[in-house]
Amino acid sequence: DGGITQSPKYLFRKEGQNVTLSCEQNLNHDAMYWYRQDPGQGLRLIYYSQIVNDFQKGDIAEGYSVSREKKESFPLTVTSAQKNPTAFYLCASSISQGDQPQHFGDGTRLSIL
Amino acid sequence: AQSVTQPDIHITVSEGASLELRCNYSYGATPYLFWYVQSPGQGLQLLLKYFSGDTLVQGIKGFEAEFKRSQSSFNLRKPSVHWSDAAEYFCAVALVQGAQKLVFGQGTRLTINP
Repeated sequence: DGGITQSPKYLFRKEGQNVTLSCEQNLNHDAMYWYRQDPGQGLRLIYYSQIVNDFQKGDIAEGYSVSREKKESFPLTVTSAQKNPTAFYLCASSISQGDQPQHFGDGTRLSIL
Repeated sequence: AQSVTQPDIHITVSEGASLELRCNYSYGATPYLFWYVQSPGQGLQLLLKYFSGDTLVQGIKGFEAEFKRSQSSFNLRKPSVHWSDAAEYFCAVALVQGAQKLVFGQGTRLTINP
């Protein structure tokens, strides 16, 4: 079955450390997205990519970086510049840039040691 | 400012009872409207969406939602809930089609009493 795989499920970061969250999809979708979810809040868009080798900042991109070298992969790096990284991170995809997110991964929960 | 409001943070209903989750938006024009469900520790699943046409939309898992322009609302309903419906529900809106413009509400957590 096609879907989105996020890894790891749980991740711990030390102060001043960069960490990378993995997102892989086998749906052949063009567009991929990263969202951040905090308790009691809705999802907020960090970055999105409509096509390989192209990506755009979302509403809360500061302290994060992404790459889209392959259609199926969209890793998110949480840099040391992100001062409040503890959250649940969700990766999503859609067939094309004109569609809403259709598939979500099961998320990665990032915590600070 | 554009916003989406889900007035109820937490709702508890008994199994077999009817359910209505509220969603209100503040946009000048009629937006695209969505409902997603999230089970604990998992990603979101799209339940239904409204773009235009019939204001009563049918979705998966027996859910439906009604768009009411006069009330700026898009409430989610189910006639009879099952224990497996316990989850977090998110309303989302977009002024244009495309996820980069999607705004999510804060979510409503649904608990089902046996």
